Amino acid sequence: EVQLVESGGGLVQTGGSLRLSCAASGFTFRSYWLHWVRQAPGKGLVWVSRINTDGNDASYADSVRGRFTISRDNAKNTLYLQMNSLRAEDTAVYYCASGMPTTQDYWGQGTLVTVSS
Amino acid sequence: QSALTQPRSVSGSPGQSVTISCIGTSSDIGGYNYVSWYQQHPGKAPKLMIYDVTKRPSGVPDRFSGSRSGNTASLTISGLQAEDEADYYCCSYAGSYTLIFGGGTKLTVL
Repeated sequence: EVQLVESGGGLVQTGGSLRLSCAASGFTFRSYWLHWVRQAPGKGLVWVSRINTDGNDASYADSVRGRFTISRDNAKNTLYLQMNSLRAEDTAVYYCASGMPTTQDYWGQGTLVTVSS
Repeated sequence: QSALTQPRSVSGSPGQSVTISCIGTSSDIGGYNYVSWYQQHPGKAPKLMIYDVTKRPSGVPDRFSGSRSGNTASLTISGLQAEDEADYYCCSYAGSYTLIFGGGTKLTVL
C-alpha cells in the first residue's frame, strides 16, 4: 500500500524557517516525481513545487521561488521542503504527492503550517 | 499566474449527469495535453480522477470522464451517486515547468 506521511509542520513566526518531511513507503520511491501542494484553510489547492526522480531538477511556483527549496533522499525514501522567510500567506496544510511531472497520483494526509506574528 | 477558473458550485440529483468546467488559456489548458482532475472530500487528501485530459487511473469508475475544447477542460460525472459529493479541482501544466490548479468546485448531490 502506498503511504506518504508528512511531518514538520507547526507554528512559526513571520520571517522564520521550517523544514517539512514526507516519508514514503509501498512503492519504488526513486522512480517517481514528487510534488508539494498546499491548501490554505477553507481555500483551494495550490501547487508549490516538484522534483524529478534523481533530485537534480526542481521547479517552483512564483510565490515561493527563492524562499522554498525542495529536495529528496532516495536512500531514505524521504521528500523535504525547506521553507525560509515565511509569510502569513504561507499558512496552509502542505501535502506531499507522488506521481509524474504533471500529475499527483498519491497524496499524503498533509501537515499544517501556521505563520503568525 | 492566476488560478484556472471553475464554477464555485454545481449540483445534480442521483442518477443525473453533471459537468464541471475549467477555463484557462492557450498557455496552459489549450497548450498542453496535461490536464488532471482531483476529488477531495472534507478533511481528506485529494484523489486523482483524470489525467492527461481524458485518461482514468485504475480504480476510478468509468462514470468519470474528461474532455477539452480549446482553452476549456471539463469533467463529466454520469450516473451521479451520493458519494460523489465533494470538491473537485482541475490542474494544468502551465509551461516553464510549473503547474496551476483551478479554484475548485463544490459538487452537491441533491
